[in-house]
Amino acid sequence: DIQMTQSPASLSASLGETVSIECLASEDIYNNLAWYQQKPGKSPQLLIYYASSLQDGVPSRFSGSGSGTQYSLKINSLESEDAATYFCLQDSEYPPTFGGGTKLELK
Amino acid sequence: EVQLVESGGSLVQPGGSLKLSCVASGYTFSNYWMDWVRQTPGKSLEWIGEINTDGSKTNYAPSIKDRFTISRDNAKSTLYLQMSNVKSDDTAIYYCTLLRWFAYWGQGTLVTVSS
Repeated sequence: DIQMTQSPASLSASLGETVSIECLASEDIYNNLAWYQQKPGKSPQLLIYYASSLQDGVPSRFSGSGSGTQYSLKINSLESEDAATYFCLQDSEYPPTFGGGTKLELK
Repeated sequence: EVQLVESGGSLVQPGGSLKLSCVASGYTFSNYWMDWVRQTPGKSLEWIGEINTDGSKTNYAPSIKDRFTISRDNAKSTLYLQMSNVKSDDTAIYYCTLLRWFAYWGQGTLVTVSS
């Protein structure tokens, strides 16, 4: 299975700041990567797919980048509603595998 | 509007069986593959498996194979997950999902495996 190592496990940031979350794949996943946001008690919501394509309805302050084995999610101008846990997913190979998650706290 | 509603989760003893359901609405159920994904109490997400449009083909995670069975009833727009010989590690919230990238998720149903 392809292992997805996500970092950091948690971070704290202030409103208006910009943060980045990283995912490192154990092998090349050819941009077959997605990012999700999950709020407490809710299901994960798709933010980004194909590494950098924004899902319909997702604010443009979210962006994704990367290639090969290294990918990142960037959130510009943090808003209070961005407090959540973020996950990456690779579906380049079976089985699809998720990163361990990053809990984002707003100061 | 796409809606996925899971049900059937409960407390089950180790070694027991349980069948989860996911009722879909808001789209033509029979046209799309469906997946099950679970989330453990520690919040890790794990893909369980998938089924094709007519139910003739399934794929499973290696950790699940031979204990869980995915099926569907297109006439009822319902997806199923039959769980057998459950273990404590199967304790999780179980979600049904739709489309590549798991674009749509249900609200989940909680399965607790404990004696």
